[in-house]
Order: sequence, then C-alpha cells, then structure tokens
Amino acid sequence: KAGVTQTPRYLIKTRGQQVTLSCSPISGHRSVSWYQQTPGQGLQFLFEYFSETQRNKGNFPGRFSGRQFSNSRSEMNVSTLELGDSALYLCASSVRDRGPEAFFGQGTRLTVV
Amino acid sequence: ILNVEQSPQSLHVQEGDSTNFTCSFPSSNFYALHWYRWETAKSPEALFVMTLNGDEKKKGRISATLNTKEGYSYLYIKGSQPEDSATYLCAFPSNDYKLSFGAGTTVTVRA
Repeated sequence: KAGVTQTPRYLIKTRGQQVTLSCSPISGHRSVSWYQQTPGQGLQFLFEYFSETQRNKGNFPGRFSGRQFSNSRSEMNVSTLELGDSALYLCASSVRDRGPEAFFGQGTRLTVV
Repeated sequence: ILNVEQSPQSLHVQEGDSTNFTCSFPSSNFYALHWYRWETAKSPEALFVMTLNGDEKKKGRISATLNTKEGYSYLYIKGSQPEDSATYLCAFPSNDYKLSFGAGTTVTVRA
C-alpha cells in the first residue's frame, strides 16, 4: 500500500512569505503529526491531528498552523517566514494515537532566504 | 516537557563489532517506547514498539530491551555492518497525543 506522501519535497521561499506543506497519510490512518528537524536538533513536535481536530500543539509560535481534512490529508502553514524556519518538515501518520508506530513521509526541505 | 534522552550522541564502530546505546524516558505514565532507524536521505522507519517491562525484541542483528520501572531502553547491534549506519531514535508517546523523540544516536560503521 502507498506510504505517507509529502509535497513538495523541496521549497525555497523568501523571508516574509508564507508556505503550505501537504501530507497524505497511509489509507486508514487517522492520526497525522508534524515535526520539524533543524541541524543539531532532534525531531521537534509541531502538532497532531485526529479526525480533523488538533489535539496537541508543540511549542511553536502562532505563525505555524495546520489543519486536517475529512480524508485525513493534512496541511501545515507557516506565515511570515523567518530564516530560522529553514528545516526539514516531516509528517507521520498512524492508525490511532499512542499505539502502533508512526509511519513517516520523506519530508519537505524548506529553505528560507 | 517530557525528557527523552539518548546517549551517546554518536558512535563509530568497526565492521563486525557489536555496540549498544541507551534511551532514557519518564518512568511514570508509561504506555510504550518506540525505536526508529533513520538512514540518510530516507524517512525514519520503525524498528520496535515496546510495551512491557522486561520486553526484549529482535529484528535480525538488532535487538532492544526495556526497563519501564527505571525508565530506560537499550538498543543492541550485533556484528555491525556498513548498512547499519544510521541515526537511531527512540520516542515516547504521551497521553496528550504527542510523540516525544530523543535527539538520536548516530552510528557509523567503518568497513
């Protein structure tokens, strides 16, 4: 079966712009989480969605937002981009919360110039 | 904030040698402990989901043990091969729908 798909794979944006990243989970997976990875940092939790509801959000400014659609696809948006937002953004899906493992997409590499 | 810590940060291992490294996590409200392998240019992939104290899981040359009472897990690689070179992440799911990751242990196996 198809894995987690993230689009686009690479993105270059200018400071002040906004960006939308997309994640299509594995069919049947209802929980979608987003993570940010920057050099020297581990995976930092951004938010988790389940059945279109955000159930938790990490310690990120309000410029970071997301949503989940009825088909479980999720998007995250970053407004007013800053240089420090340059990172690899990973999406992961799982069948349900707290249980089985998360399945990750290949990520979107965002570069802010 | 949940502290999930991994040590060491990196390891250099000669091909054929065995190695191990640690993940420590909160011992209260334990539900599960995940191990992932993240190879360069790929996505993190789950190795093990461990749920029971004393649990030991094995996949090929890689195995893991779990001590929920003291809050640690060991991952072992027996007879390391170059293809074992990767970053190994542990993750702790909390009851607020968050999976907290350690910073990882990067293993480099030299031929």
